[in-house]
Amino acid sequence: QSVLTQPPSASGTPGQRVTISCSGSSSNIGSNYVYWYQQLPATAPKLLIYRNNQRPSGVPDRFSGSKSGTSASLAISGLRSEDEADYYCAAWDDSLWVFGGGTKLTVL
Amino acid sequence: QVQLQESGPGLVKPSQTLSLTCTVSGGSISSGSYYWGWIRQPAGKGLEWIGRIYTSGSTNYNPSLKSRVTISVDTSKNQFSLKLSSVTAADTAVYYCARENCSGGGCNPFDSWGQGTLVTVSS
Repeated sequence: QSVLTQPPSASGTPGQRVTISCSGSSSNIGSNYVYWYQQLPATAPKLLIYRNNQRPSGVPDRFSGSKSGTSASLAISGLRSEDEADYYCAAWDDSLWVFGGGTKLTVL
Repeated sequence: QVQLQESGPGLVKPSQTLSLTCTVSGGSISSGSYYWGWIRQPAGKGLEWIGRIYTSGSTNYNPSLKSRVTISVDTSKNQFSLKLSSVTAADTAVYYCARENCSGGGCNPFDSWGQGTLVTVSS
């Protein structure tokens, strides 16, 4: 059972906008930054969003993050086939890093 | 561009100690403000943070694993290591090493990852 709650799956068609939610509590998302990772099949996760809404160099601006209270969201606009992957949220929680259970995004 | 690479046995017997090493290339492990950490992922499941070590040598561990985990650093080899004792089948997972960037105020976790190594616990 993950500390942060994500929907297990999401889907969209090419060009569409999809959002993935991440719900936590006052001890993690409510008081700390949220991070998002993309994990393509059989590869290591890759940092996608840091400090709630910042994109590392090289991450397309189609990816955006937001946070409100104890919840956060990842939005992907202009969905592309190569976006099909697992997405994880993460946050610091008192004395450890905690993750969401992951959301499998399918591009139909 | 820093690169991380895990190494170690792919098969460990139950009750024994799992030992993995992460070799850092493209930069010194002791320069800058970084934590060096371990994360694992059982097959088909999510990510679990194991712990981290700072360049100074201070450590933090996941409370659920703390009694069994030791993370250490060898600056002469530009490596850091994970030891997990008394393993069971539940410890079977892909183990990743990753860097946590603490420059510029605050820490941004896991901006660089190793490719991961599968460790199976079985007799």
